[in-house]
Amino acid sequence: GIQVEQSPPDLILQEGANSTLRCNFSDSVNNLQWFHQNPWGQLINLFYIPSGTKQNGRLSATTVATERYSLLYISSSQTTDSGVYFCAVDNFGNEKLTFGTGTRLTIIP
Amino acid sequence: DVKVTQSSRYLVKRTGEKVFLECVQDMDHENMFWYRQDPGLGLRLIYFSYDVKMKEKGDIPEGYSVSREKKERFSLILESASTNQTSMYLCASSLSVRDLGADTQYFGPGTRLTVL
Repeated sequence: GIQVEQSPPDLILQEGANSTLRCNFSDSVNNLQWFHQNPWGQLINLFYIPSGTKQNGRLSATTVATERYSLLYISSSQTTDSGVYFCAVDNFGNEKLTFGTGTRLTIIP
Repeated sequence: DVKVTQSSRYLVKRTGEKVFLECVQDMDHENMFWYRQDPGLGLRLIYFSYDVKMKEKGDIPEGYSVSREKKERFSLILESASTNQTSMYLCASSLSVRDLGADTQYFGPGTRLTVL
């Protein structure tokens, strides 16, 4: 099946810093989503982005489908951004997502 | 807003017990999913369902079964719980948009199951 790798596995930053999270995948995809899991375990969808660039406030994401990677940018980090960020992909068009192992982001005040 | 609810946040069961985890969504979504999350392994799909009474195996279906008798409800069943099924269980739903492509998945708050 498709492989999804995320980097870095852990990231610790001061409040106000910017960060870039990366997701590499091993095959072409129909669907790519970024999720944030907060410290209480709730997963929230951030972006549905199989290709192109999207922005939502301080967050933006870019997927370069031909090169099989996606980037999540977080600007001016806040402590509420802490948690685990997951990338998930579907390459069969059946809406069955394969998740990466996540990047744990810790924002220090 | 889409709301996905799960019957319990925390559950403790004994080895050999039959366990039911319930998930309900209120947005008339066709698709529903059950995942388990374990440290270092991310989320892994157990079962999913495209429609009422329809089910498909995910990546790790062994030891689990599911039931979808109504569109809004998707149940995960552990027929005989074992200690290696101690995990966080997450339910999700999505609107099926087969002609347009996949839709985003919305997750419930999770059930942390401990099997003693």
